[in-house]
Amino acid sequence: DAKTTQPPSMDCAEGRAANLPCNHSTISGNEYVYWYRQIHSQGPQYIIHGLKNNETNEMASLIITEDRKSSTLILPHATLRDTAVYYCIVRPAYNQGGKLIFGQGTELSVKP
Amino acid sequence: NAGVTQTPKFQVLKTGQSMTLQCAQDMNHEYMSWYRQDPGMGLRLIHYSVGAGITDQGEVPNGYNVSRSTTEDFPLRLLSAAPSQTSVYFCASSPDRVAYEQYFGPGTRLTVT
Repeated sequence: DAKTTQPPSMDCAEGRAANLPCNHSTISGNEYVYWYRQIHSQGPQYIIHGLKNNETNEMASLIITEDRKSSTLILPHATLRDTAVYYCIVRPAYNQGGKLIFGQGTELSVKP
Repeated sequence: NAGVTQTPKFQVLKTGQSMTLQCAQDMNHEYMSWYRQDPGMGLRLIHYSVGAGITDQGEVPNGYNVSRSTTEDFPLRLLSAAPSQTSVYFCASSPDRVAYEQYFGPGTRLTVT
């Protein structure tokens, strides 16, 4: 599975958009980009995934560059409850084990 | 649906003791997995199962055993606990191994003294 690189921490003002970057320069053509988050002491929570097109759901938007070497997760109006560690994960859709390989993630602090 | 449940929430063991961490899901998911999370680190995959009777090793399988006799349950066994196994353990499930979303349990915090 391709490796990802994320900044260790970011701050965001409440009500503003939070833009979390992820670098995955060795991504293969059959690998998807997934985002999960982990609120303190809880289990991780799925946010969104994409292959090459931009994606949006009720939680967030995912922007993937044309060369697919990087992506950005956007929380359009961050709230205090969005304070969490955000993980960017790359894996094939049809890998043998369905496993997720978590990196260090980005710790997002949303401040009033 | 209760989703993914884990018991116990907290456990303290002495070195050399054995125990089983329980994980159950009521969503009829085929795929289940166990992760551990150490302070300041991301989650690391221990073992996973793509269906009843089928298990395989993840990144850090040493010191842990698993079995999958039913679709619902996926227990994690520590045969001889070591201080290095002090961690928070998360169980996860998804409909199958290619499903995009995995559902995680609330975790078990284990301390080995």
